[in-house]
Amino acid sequence: NAGVTQTPKFRVLKTGQSMTLLCAQDMNHEYMYWYRQDPGMGLRLIHYSVGEGTTAKGEVPDGYNVSRLKKQNFLLGLESAAPSQTSVYFCASRNPGLRSDQETQYFGPGTRLLVL
Amino acid sequence: SQQGEEDPQALSIQEGENATMNCSYKTSINNLQWYRQNSGRGLVHLILIRSNEREKHSGRLRVTLDTSKKSSSLLITASRAADTASYFCATANQAGTALIFGKGTTLSVSS
Repeated sequence: NAGVTQTPKFRVLKTGQSMTLLCAQDMNHEYMYWYRQDPGMGLRLIHYSVGEGTTAKGEVPDGYNVSRLKKQNFLLGLESAAPSQTSVYFCASRNPGLRSDQETQYFGPGTRLLVL
Repeated sequence: SQQGEEDPQALSIQEGENATMNCSYKTSINNLQWYRQNSGRGLVHLILIRSNEREKHSGRLRVTLDTSKKSSSLLITASRAADTASYFCATANQAGTALIFGKGTTLSVSS
């Protein structure tokens, strides 16, 4: 199993450009997440999804949109990139439930985004 | 706002020494998790402790939880250079559908 994969690994954008980050998981997880990580700020939740066709806002959703058309994929879109969106973006997934293995989130390797 | 806050922000020790990191959180929890992140990589789950547990062990890791103080600690015994990483505590949001992470403790273990 590949686990959680993210595409692309690195991208440079100019201010105002748009792009989509792709997250894919092969563990049949219901829940998927997008976080951003900035120096000194830890991980902050952008958006998440508790099932195919559903999305919800996290702590820092402004400037981002998401879609979950297929259970295994979770897309993060930037319609008009800004320098403040320069960050490392992590995707994660898990299944709902109260067992320890179900409450564990599995993370992708990250996408580094630089907005000039 | 972030639920958990780790302390210290950075910690430097020698191989063989023990490393202790602390996490404080704000609201009531069902469980608390610790994750590790090696430089340039994604986070990896280390251990989960439930609100009715006070202490849990996994190999060289020991986690404690004090719900009255809303705090947890992660102890790594006999540290190795390979333990060099950032460590994060995480608790669930109100709906229990997502994890909220602290800012992390960066541990550096020198040989």
